[in-house]
Amino acid sequence: QKEVEQDPGPLSVPEGAIVSLNCTYSNSAFQYFMWYRQYSRKGPELLMYTYSSGNKEDGRFTAQVDKSSKYISLFIRDSQPSDSATYLCAMISSGSARQLTFGSGTQLTVLP
Amino acid sequence: DSGVTQTPKHLITATGQRVTLRCSPRSGDLSVYWYQQSLDQGLQFLIQYYNGEERAKGNILERFSAQQFPDLHSELNLSSLELGDSALYFCASSVNGQETQYFGPGTRLLVL
Repeated sequence: QKEVEQDPGPLSVPEGAIVSLNCTYSNSAFQYFMWYRQYSRKGPELLMYTYSSGNKEDGRFTAQVDKSSKYISLFIRDSQPSDSATYLCAMISSGSARQLTFGSGTQLTVLP
Repeated sequence: DSGVTQTPKHLITATGQRVTLRCSPRSGDLSVYWYQQSLDQGLQFLIQYYNGEERAKGNILERFSAQQFPDLHSELNLSSLELGDSALYFCASSVNGQETQYFGPGTRLLVL
């Protein structure tokens, strides 16, 4: 079993829809949670970073963490065609090392 | 633009050969991370350096090695290349090994 599970999609939605992307994890040591966006053949771009359980909002993006359920989500409101990309959840465990453990990524297409 | 630079962008080589990938972190960042992204394995952590010293190792093959130089740039050396080493190699950097990592554009390696 992978430490981080993410539905690979693909996910296709109409412009303006609310998108929900999710990851589950099994390692209780994960303390820091990120969402990255990756356009085709480009480097991952950091979208959101959260530490505690709860919600964090940044513009059209909301990151949600539920440590008790080992479940994180990213919501995109009023989705745009420019949001079409692969979304990767990533996590860091407590300790001195800070390497990211990634989910497999969800490919999102927003149709105009 | 994340501020992390990687060269070369593309590399085509033959099995058994050796290549060197180069990364320059964002100004002020002391930590450099190397990741490999392949279709079947996703994004996987290889190795981390902090201010010239190796900090953590992930699933890095013995044929691969890295170093970080006094000017903080890093090089990833891949030797005795195999077809399965074909992948995207990303470098990321962070301040003082903190959680938020910023990725470079990657080097696409094709081993023929």
